[in-house]
Amino acid sequence: DMKVTQMPRYLIKRMGENVLLECGQDMSHETMYWYRQDPGLGLQLIYISYDVDSNSEGDIPKGYRVSRKKREHFSLILDSAKTNQTSVYFCASSFVGGGTEVFFGKGTRLTVV
Amino acid sequence: GDSVTQTEGPVTVSESESLIINCTYSATSIAYPNLFWYVRYPGEGLQLLLKVITAGQKGSSRGFEATYNKETTSFHLQKASVQESDSAVYYCALGDPNTNKVVFGTGTRLQVLP
Repeated sequence: DMKVTQMPRYLIKRMGENVLLECGQDMSHETMYWYRQDPGLGLQLIYISYDVDSNSEGDIPKGYRVSRKKREHFSLILDSAKTNQTSVYFCASSFVGGGTEVFFGKGTRLTVV
Repeated sequence: GDSVTQTEGPVTVSESESLIINCTYSATSIAYPNLFWYVRYPGEGLQLLLKVITAGQKGSSRGFEATYNKETTSFHLQKASVQESDSAVYYCALGDPNTNKVVFGTGTRLQVLP
């Protein structure tokens, strides 16, 4: 079953706390992504990973870092979360990315209070 | 940078009516972008609806179709007769085959009335 799984689905954190969002995929895709989506905006790319320990900044990387130690797992870390990081975060994966289908998780709704 | 602009929603149509959701793109750094339509049904994640990677070609799926028009930099989504089950949010996107990055539009919410 081709799947991208995100955990947790909902999360409430206080400002200044650290946040870990986890993502897994069972398709052996090389490329993985983290996006965030805010009302009225499209999905904004935070980071892209081309394989284990091969990560590149997307369009809005500030305030985030990522970790990919296994091909099937890709984590998004917020060190000292801020209220403007309240958003819905989507993880995705693909074989090649630009020309092939990108598979998405169902999203994690993060609220920073 | 590269960007995608699509019809602002919500779009409301009655069942069996025709539909068009406009999408135009700007690919300043990509000579030949790949173009996609994704859809998110209520309670689900985004999933691919259709894709076209060659200019001038048409993609189709589930009664929807879109033609990659390089001259007008457009990739409009059309359906001749919508169904209530088509109610969802539709996203136009472009992909860079060199960097693997995918840029999405803001999404268009479609509501089909019975």
